[in-house]
Amino acid sequence: DTGVSQDPRHKITKRGQNVTFRCDPISEHNRLYWYRQTLGQGPEFLTYFQNEAQLEKSRLLSDRFSAERPKGSFSTLEIQRTEQGDSAMYLCASRPGQGPNTEAFFGQGTRLTVV
Amino acid sequence: GNSVTQMEGPVTLSEEAFLTINCTYTATGYPSLFWYVQYPGEGLQLLLKATKADDKGSNKGFEATYRKETTSFHLEKGSVQVSDSAVYFCALEEVLSGSARQLTFGSGTQLTVLP
Repeated sequence: DTGVSQDPRHKITKRGQNVTFRCDPISEHNRLYWYRQTLGQGPEFLTYFQNEAQLEKSRLLSDRFSAERPKGSFSTLEIQRTEQGDSAMYLCASRPGQGPNTEAFFGQGTRLTVV
Repeated sequence: GNSVTQMEGPVTLSEEAFLTINCTYTATGYPSLFWYVQYPGEGLQLLLKATKADDKGSNKGFEATYRKETTSFHLEKGSVQVSDSAVYFCALEEVLSGSARQLTFGSGTQLTVLP
């Protein structure tokens, strides 16, 4: 399977713990996005990488959220000191090239439950 | 800021019925518009897109026309099938800065088609 892969698929954590999610994009895609999706809502943009550069991070939900893409391949999203409101599906997407209108390919997401 | 508004669901239809899912947007300029579909247990997939006014996107029997006068991009299908049961998301492409772009989604519309 050469699609976007996310790991883990499900994560249950206690409030206050840190969690880290991984995304492996399609190999030739230089653009990578993280989104959050809560129940009954559409995906909400969090952050964007072009290769290893994080070009947009102002929409990360708080300073507890951070993301990296150290070698321009896989990416990680970390949430520190999790809160119950962080419970959601976290989606990763990748796109090729630099221009507009290219298709974004989404992973199946990581579902986070904070108890 | 940019936003997308979709008709609220859920929508339940009988097989072979006509489908319309309304989508309107608010944006600066004329963004590209998309419909994504999410089948149960799967990631978001691009269904169709339109990149400029009066363009019609089509795929798998679904169509949507970019109407700048009404800022709309309604999704239609003449005869739905049980296999079309899914959540449908309308989205626009937002320019972050330079060549950086990302998608802004509506809240999604759940479609159930009964045999």
